[in-house]
Amino acid sequence: DQQVKQNSPSLSVQEGRISILNCDYTNSMFDYFLWYKKYPAEGPTFLISISSIKDKNEDGRFTVFLNKSAKHLSLHIVPSQPGDSAVYFCAASATQGGSEKLVFGKGTKLTVNP
Amino acid sequence: DTGVSQDPRHKITKRGQNVTFRCDPISEHNRLYWYRQTLGQGPEFLTYFQNEAQLEKSRLLSDRFSAERPKGSFSTLEIQRTEQGDSAMYLCASSFSVPSYNEQFFGPGTRLTVL
Repeated sequence: DQQVKQNSPSLSVQEGRISILNCDYTNSMFDYFLWYKKYPAEGPTFLISISSIKDKNEDGRFTVFLNKSAKHLSLHIVPSQPGDSAVYFCAASATQGGSEKLVFGKGTKLTVNP
Repeated sequence: DTGVSQDPRHKITKRGQNVTFRCDPISEHNRLYWYRQTLGQGPEFLTYFQNEAQLEKSRLLSDRFSAERPKGSFSTLEIQRTEQGDSAMYLCASSFSVPSYNEQFFGPGTRLTVL
């Protein structure tokens, strides 16, 4: 039962263009969402988060959009840089439900070509 | 470096042996989590502590797995009688306990290989 789904295993974009990574979830109890970036042989690095009371959060080149009715969130990276090439994980938690665990998707491998 | 640290970074063991991993969280953080990640998957939650209390455990955490955080600072994860299916990256994370805030910061992980 995959509660957090990242349906695109990989994405390739040109440097300077926009990267859009998508994530869908099924559990309506999820109220906090996060994106992590992971390089090989390293732990996940926190990028950006959003609470369910918002529909957008922006931090520099990274913007996360949340559509609660569609149970969908996306991460926009603009402009994309070669150093952004990594695996991106979407994660969700049900903080009001008393659970602190993060539920992760399987990840999307982003390649930014120079 | 004030991030989450894990030791060892790599562990190779034979099936049936016991292994123990250590995690040192960010010093101000009172919550500590353990996750496991296998190839092609995202991290999967195992357990978490608030201070020294273990508050949640996953069904993934079989009887062979035990975690402790005796003084509310570092934590250890022990796997007894290892099996080949235990081969994975074991990740530790820490965070503050703030309502409606759940940003967890991960360490570099311990890669376990069971032969």
